[in-house]
Order: sequence, then C-alpha cells, then structure tokens
Amino acid sequence: DAGVTQSPTHLIKTRGQQVTLRCSPKSGHDTVSWYQQALGQGPQFIFQYYEEEERQRGNFPDRFSGHQFPNYSSELNVNALLLGDSALYLCASSGPSGGLYEQYFGPGTRLTVT
Amino acid sequence: DAKTTQPTSMDCAEGRAANLPCNHSTISGNEYVYWYRQIHSQGPQYIIHGLKNNETNEMASLIITEDRKSSTLILPHATLRDTAVYYCIVPGSARQLTFGSGTQLTVLP
Repeated sequence: DAGVTQSPTHLIKTRGQQVTLRCSPKSGHDTVSWYQQALGQGPQFIFQYYEEEERQRGNFPDRFSGHQFPNYSSELNVNALLLGDSALYLCASSGPSGGLYEQYFGPGTRLTVT
Repeated sequence: DAKTTQPTSMDCAEGRAANLPCNHSTISGNEYVYWYRQIHSQGPQYIIHGLKNNETNEMASLIITEDRKSSTLILPHATLRDTAVYYCIVPGSARQLTFGSGTQLTVLP
C-alpha cells in the first residue's frame, strides 16, 4: 500500500514565477491538508481539502491556492513567488478510519525561490 | 485548540526509555492529545493519540494524567532511529494540526 506521495521532490523557481506541487493521498483517505515548513520551524497549516472543496484555511495569502480532484489527489499552487516562500511543502492525508487528526504525511517538496 | 508546552530538548541513552512530557493545562474535556514526530528531512509521522485512558501501540505508550493537564509519551527502548523532533498537539475543534516547536529528542549511543 503506497503511502502519501508528492512530486516533485525538489524545485527551484525564480521570484515572481508560479509553481504547482502535487500530492497523492494514502489509499482510503479522502482529506488532504497542506503545510509549509520553513527551516528550523514546525509545519504551518496552509489549507485542507475535502470533497473537492477547501474546508479550512490557515493564515496564508490568496497567492496560495489549491485543488482536489475526484480521485482525492491534490495540487498546491503558489503565484508570484517570493523569496520567503522557500520552504518544505508537506502534504498530509487522512480518512474515515483514523479520523481527521491522524494524518499521514508525504516526504515533502523542497521549494527554493531565488 | 489548547496550547501545549514541551521542553526544547532532551537526551536519552540508547536502549533506555525516553519519557517526553507535555503540558496542556487548558485542554477541554473532549479534546484528544496527539503525538507526532519528525525525523530530520522527512515528513512528520503520527505516533499515538489519547483522550483520558493510557494508550499503547507498537511505537509508544501515552500516559495522560487524571486531570488531563499533562501527558507523557514513552518510547520504551529508544534507538538511534528515534532521534527526532516530537510534537504534542491538542487539535480541539480546529480541523487542523497546529505544530509548535516540539522537543528535540537525541538518543545517544
């Protein structure tokens, strides 16, 4: 059973560009949450998707947007990249069997903005 | 969600039990305590959660005090691979996990 997968593993972008990160949840999971983790800090919640809708959002600007597809996979889009967006972006999935807070995380996408 | 307080860092000898404390004095009666850990350069990993009774799984044990204001995560026989940042989280009704600074556990050979 594959766990949570994310792509790409690493990404380098230039300030002002746009980026799309992808996540496939663990089998049987229907909820996807995205987190940003800056160096030396704990993960910060960006938003959560369930039934293809954004259900909860953290304190992130509208430059951060997402999407969930019918197969429960998800994308995170960041527009107008800033240097401060450099971070590890983590996707986590959860499902009915474990509940909302028993989340399984992918390995993350390391984004570097230059 | 209730605020949690954890020590910044702890050391533990390999093979010994690691006891990681967490204070959550503002926890409400129906709020669970969750523990995650993050090994360097990996995504966080769910460990265990509990409400009021002690819980045990293949990874760890969770002891919650009777007044529920604090808890302790116990790794019974710590190995070098248990070196990680451990997060104690009380999500409440927030529908999200709020990670604090956690405790850096270093298992020493």
